Amino acid sequence: EPEVTQTPSHQVTQMGQEVILRCVPISNHLYFYWYRQILGQKVEFLVSFYNNEISEKSEIFDDQFSVERPDGSNFTLKIRSTKLEDSAMYFCASSVLGRFTDTQYFGPGTRLTVL
Amino acid sequence: ILNVEQSPQSLHVQEGDSTNFTCSFPSSNFYALHWYRWETAKSPEALFVMTLNGDEKKKGRISATLNTKEGYSYLYIKGSQPEDSATYLCAFLSDRDSSYKLIFGSGTRLLVRP
Repeated sequence: EPEVTQTPSHQVTQMGQEVILRCVPISNHLYFYWYRQILGQKVEFLVSFYNNEISEKSEIFDDQFSVERPDGSNFTLKIRSTKLEDSAMYFCASSVLGRFTDTQYFGPGTRLTVL
Repeated sequence: ILNVEQSPQSLHVQEGDSTNFTCSFPSSNFYALHWYRWETAKSPEALFVMTLNGDEKKKGRISATLNTKEGYSYLYIKGSQPEDSATYLCAFLSDRDSSYKLIFGSGTRLLVRP
């Protein structure tokens, strides 16, 4: 069964460094999402992406964050200058249809630790 | 501030028991409600996406109902099995002025004892 994959599974970085988290969505899916969960807190929506554009973003998704689909398969989340509070589990998801009313398939997550 | 509450926070049941838990959300600007099942060390798995008041959805022994007017959804598990042990998350999608906000609850952690 096709699945969403994410790399790396764990990323450790120093405060102020740039990180890129990678996701490979399911191949026929058109809508892509990033979520995060800070330890002990609720899952939070970051951004949705369709047709090479951001379609929705939350207040968390500020200028430090960017997303890209650099080729036909990868979907990346870049954090420009990491802060301690960016430490979290980051999940990528994809769906065939969008507007959040279609089933979303989640990847296994990347644990980001900012030191 | 939009808030989504789930209760109880955790639940321990015996194998074979039926159980249910609640997701409460704002009753205005409702667009959709998602239920996810999240096993430890795995990805969240979508169970249901519910959009209409009065919706009832079923997947095997798991079912869910939706009341958008009063702002709640129930998730039921009939005849719980140890493999049902997981955290069950709901997420409320609001639509205000064509801007969507997806807010997650904290989850209900279910442990089914053999």
